[in-house]
Amino acid sequence: DIQMTQSPSTLSASVGDRVTITCRASQSISSWLAWYQQKPGKAPKLLIYKASSLESGVPSRFSGSGSGTEFTLTISSLQPDDFATYYCQQYNSYTFGPGTKVDIK
Amino acid sequence: QITLKESGPTLVKPTQTLTLTCTFSGFSLSTSGVGVGWIRQPPGKALEWLALIYWDDDKRYSPSLKSRLTITKDTSKNQVVLTMTNMDPVDTATYYCAHRKLHTNAIDYWGQGTLVTVSS
Repeated sequence: DIQMTQSPSTLSASVGDRVTITCRASQSISSWLAWYQQKPGKAPKLLIYKASSLESGVPSRFSGSGSGTEFTLTISSLQPDDFATYYCQQYNSYTFGPGTKVDIK
Repeated sequence: QITLKESGPTLVKPTQTLTLTCTFSGFSLSTSGVGVGWIRQPPGKALEWLALIYWDDDKRYSPSLKSRLTITKDTSKNQVVLTMTNMDPVDTATYYCAHRKLHTNAIDYWGQGTLVTVSS
């Protein structure tokens, strides 16, 4: 099974900060990676697919990069609506990462 | 407009079988490339992918739960059914039904989720 890790598990940041979350796969998954945002009590929302493709309707401050085993999600300027938990998912065999909670510093 | 909605019991007893139904609209599971999956999330914990069924009836299961899961589709009713046998309290979670983004296995549409509690 392909295992996914994310770092950090929690991130405290302020509005306007540049935020980077890292996701690592236990073996190469090419670019088969997605990023989701989830707010409490809500279903996740797709942000990025194929490692770097921005889902329609998602603000351009979100970007993804990486391939193989290491990937990053970057929020260029954190907005109040961005405080949430972020998950990566490899969709070679579908596993989700453990999540990164972004909260207010 | 794509929508998905989960239905099923909110409470099941340990050892019982859970049956959840996903009723969807806005797409057809007979269209090439389409897939519908199930993901769950225990309270306060991370997402866990469970199963996916494709338009051609190909099925994928979580390796750790494969022996307990069955996913089926009824194209005429626009429904996908997930059954999970031998339920345990650790299976308490919100269960989401979801639509596979075409040409990827990312999930672009999610149901609202249904909380299933396993307790005697």
